[in-house]
Amino acid sequence: EVQLLESGGGLVQPGGSLRLPCAASGFTFSSYAMSWVRQAPGKGLEWVSAISDSGYSTYNADSVKGRFTISRDNSKNTLYLQMTSLRAEDTAVYYCAKAQGSSLYYAWSDWGQGTLVTVSS
Amino acid sequence: EIVMTQSPATLSVSPGERATLSCRASQSVSSNLAWYQQKPGQAPRLLIYGASTRATVIPARFSGSGSGTEFTLTISSLQSEDFAVYYCQQYDNWPLTFGGGTKVEIK
Repeated sequence: EVQLLESGGGLVQPGGSLRLPCAASGFTFSSYAMSWVRQAPGKGLEWVSAISDSGYSTYNADSVKGRFTISRDNSKNTLYLQMTSLRAEDTAVYYCAKAQGSSLYYAWSDWGQGTLVTVSS
Repeated sequence: EIVMTQSPATLSVSPGERATLSCRASQSVSSNLAWYQQKPGQAPRLLIYGASTRATVIPARFSGSGSGTEFTLTISSLQSEDFAVYYCQQYDNWPLTFGGGTKVEIK
C-alpha cells in the first residue's frame, strides 16, 4: 500500500524558513516523479513544485520561484520542500503527491494527508 | 499559463440523479487532463486521468470525456459518498494548473 506521510508543518513568522519532509513507503520511490500541492484555508488546489524520479528535473510555480526548493533523497525514500522567505499567502495545507510514473507528465495518483503551514506574526 | 475554468461552481443534485461537470482550458491540453475528488478534511483522490481513463478502484459511474480544451466529468447516478468538491487539472504544460473546483451538494 502506498503511503505518503508529510511532516514539518507549523507556525512560522513572515520571512522565516521551514523544511517539509514527505516519507514514502509501499512503492519503489526512485521510480516515480513527485510533487507538492498546497491548499490555502477554504480555497482550491495550487500546484507548487515537482521533481523527476532521478531528481534531475524540477519545476516550480511562479509564486514560489526563488523561495522554495524541491528535492528528494532516493536512498531515504523521502521528498522535501525547503521553504524560505515565507509570506502570509503561503499559509496552506501542503500535500505531497506521487505521479503515476517516472515522467513529470502524469496525473498524481496518490496523496499524503497534508501538513499545515501557518505564516503569521 | 493555462487557465482551467470549471463550471458550475456549485451543482445541487438529488441522490440517484446524473451530475455533469465541465472544465475548459484556455488552450489545448490534448488529453492530459485529470479529475480529482476532495471531501472535507481529506486529501484529493484521483478519479480520471488521460481525460477519460478511470483510476484504480474508481466506480464505473464516474466517466470522463473530451480533449483539447473542453472536458466533462459525468457521475451517472449520484451516491451519498459522491457529494464533494471536484477539480480538474492539466498536466500538459508548466506550470501545472487546477480549475477552481465544482462543489456537488445535496439538493
